[in-house]
Amino acid sequence: EVQLLESGGGLVQPGGSLRLSCGASGFAFSSYGMNWVRQAPGKGLEWVSGISGSAITTYYADSVKGRFTISRDNSRNTLYLQMHSLRAEDTAIYYCAKESTSTYDYWGQGTLVTVSS
Amino acid sequence: DIVMTQSPDSLAVSLGERASINCKSSQSVLSRSNNKNYLAWFQQKPGQPPKLLIYWASARESGVPDRFSGSGSGADFTLTISSLQAEDVAVYYCQQYHTIPWTFGQGTKVEVK
Repeated sequence: EVQLLESGGGLVQPGGSLRLSCGASGFAFSSYGMNWVRQAPGKGLEWVSGISGSAITTYYADSVKGRFTISRDNSRNTLYLQMHSLRAEDTAIYYCAKESTSTYDYWGQGTLVTVSS
Repeated sequence: DIVMTQSPDSLAVSLGERASINCKSSQSVLSRSNNKNYLAWFQQKPGQPPKLLIYWASARESGVPDRFSGSGSGADFTLTISSLQAEDVAVYYCQQYHTIPWTFGQGTKVEVK
């Protein structure tokens, strides 16, 4: 059974940093691209970042480029999102999502990031 | 970026009746190389992550009831629930995965009338 479990969310002040993790199990982690998708409270879904299975290729939304870094440790079956210079508008539930041959076939339960003073 | 626009924003349908949601993309998401539409539909219930229902515009994900169907091509797509059940109350999102950044529609809330 595929499982994705996010952690690392919490309350952080504007300008602060946070690192999210997503532990994966139940599939060949290194064979699949992984993504972060966020959802602000009461709002829709916004793709944040993606990384290929080999970690050679990474992608970022313009809204986070230069502030967020996606990475993965295939030996630990773990996906990361390092977030710097956080802003109030980054407040959201952050989901990790597994790519299939098409789009995201599995999502984690999400971790809440709140940026506030 | 490809902008995805759903209509309506919300709809209320009686149990057992048909519900249809439209999704338009600002440019075609049909790939000429494989003749596939890079369009998916997700269902999100309160407090839960999104769940994949349809991919390649019309392929039903494993385990999804056959009352859910997707249609359309190019830049115009539709998600149809043929006979609404109480458990189908949710917000539905279309998504294009043709061009990065992958983008979602704003969501359509489906309720029981």
